[in-house]
Amino acid sequence: NAGVTQTPKFRILKIGQSMTLQCAQDMNHNYMYWYRQDPGMGLKLIYYSVGAGITDKGEVPNGYNVSRSTTEDFPLRLELAAPSQTSVYFCASSPQGGGTEAFFGQGTRLTVV
Amino acid sequence: AQSVAQPEDQVNVAEGNPLTVKCTYSVSGNPYLFWYVQYPNRGLQFLLKYITGDNLVKGSYGFEAEFNKSQTSFHLKKPSALVSDSALYFCAVRLNTGGFKTIFGAGTRLFVKA
Repeated sequence: NAGVTQTPKFRILKIGQSMTLQCAQDMNHNYMYWYRQDPGMGLKLIYYSVGAGITDKGEVPNGYNVSRSTTEDFPLRLELAAPSQTSVYFCASSPQGGGTEAFFGQGTRLTVV
Repeated sequence: AQSVAQPEDQVNVAEGNPLTVKCTYSVSGNPYLFWYVQYPNRGLQFLLKYITGDNLVKGSYGFEAEFNKSQTSFHLKKPSALVSDSALYFCAVRLNTGGFKTIFGAGTRLFVKA
């Protein structure tokens, strides 16, 4: 049981380049999330999805896009990378909202230079 | 504004001593409360949660947390710390309105010295 799998683990982008961070979960969870983690700042929600075909913005969505064509996959797209997007990105999933805990991937460390 | 505060950036304890990592929150209503742990170069792992009922919640690896409604706190505790407990700990709060939005604290780094 792999849980939540993120690829790549590390990436260096040049300013203005684009890339997609991949996220897949094999637990049949309806809810999926993308967070960014900046030092001393905790986790900030970028986008979330409550099921296939349904996505919505979180706290810090600017500069990102997502899609959810299947229950398993929730890719995050960065368009026109900027240095402010240098961060560690975590994908997570949960069976539902409410009192259920989230399961996190190992993260993608992105540096924009 | 809704927020979660972890007042200590770092907590240092000696192995075998009890540890406490503090968390207070400011949200409307009665939230669900979580603790997660993050080891180096890893994602967050769930430790324990408070939903309702007994104010003392027991979780993984011998950790427990005490919910105090009047003080809006949810401190993480362990009776006897291990060097392997050294990690980054996050407190998180989710509103109990049936939604999903989770507010994370900034994290507390626990260092357990042998």
